[in-house]
Amino acid sequence: NAGVTQTPKFQVLKTGQSMTLQCAQDMNHNSMYWYRQDPGMGLRLIYYSASEGTTDKGEVPNGYNVSRLNKREFSLRLESAAPSQTSVYFCASTPTLLAGELLTATQYFGPGTRLTVL
Amino acid sequence: GEDVEQSLFLSVREGDSSVINCTYTDSSSTYLYWYKQEPGAGLQLLTYIFSNMDMKQDQRLTVLLNKKDKHLSLRIADTQTGDSAIYFCAESMGYSSASKIIFGSGTRLSIRP
Repeated sequence: NAGVTQTPKFQVLKTGQSMTLQCAQDMNHNSMYWYRQDPGMGLRLIYYSASEGTTDKGEVPNGYNVSRLNKREFSLRLESAAPSQTSVYFCASTPTLLAGELLTATQYFGPGTRLTVL
Repeated sequence: GEDVEQSLFLSVREGDSSVINCTYTDSSSTYLYWYKQEPGAGLQLLTYIFSNMDMKQDQRLTVLLNKKDKHLSLRIADTQTGDSAIYFCAESMGYSSASKIIFGSGTRLSIRP
């Protein structure tokens, strides 16, 4: 049980290049999230997917697209990278709410991808 | 709007207690969390408290919630060097797996000998 995995761990891009950040979870979670973390700003939600087949914008979606490929995988794409997208990107997932039982909306995080755009 | 605030830095002596504070604005929050982030790693859930509780204790960790003042604190007893990390306060607004979680900007805890 690997939890939430992300690839790559590090990436350097030139302005205008594109790339896809991959995220996968093996915990059978319904919901998945992409955040970016910038110094002094905490985590900001980019996009989330409440369940397979649905995606929604978060707080800072501009410049990004996402794909919920299946229940396990949720990818984040930068079509034309900009220096303002230099950040650490975290993927997270949330357990399914069971009928008759309250679970926390606790999120389990991947190790992060450190992206630098020159 | 929704906002979670924390001070950016805290320095404590090894063996002392650390108290990290957080304030939030949304009174409809359901759960409040403390996450720990060690250098180069993702966030790890430390503990959480349901919004109708005042206190939760878990070994060296004590969470206090003052719902009237919208104030949450994390106390770490007998602080050790391994406790050096950034601590994030967070709140969620619902019970479902699609509930949004709002994070504070994190408090960097450093331990001095």
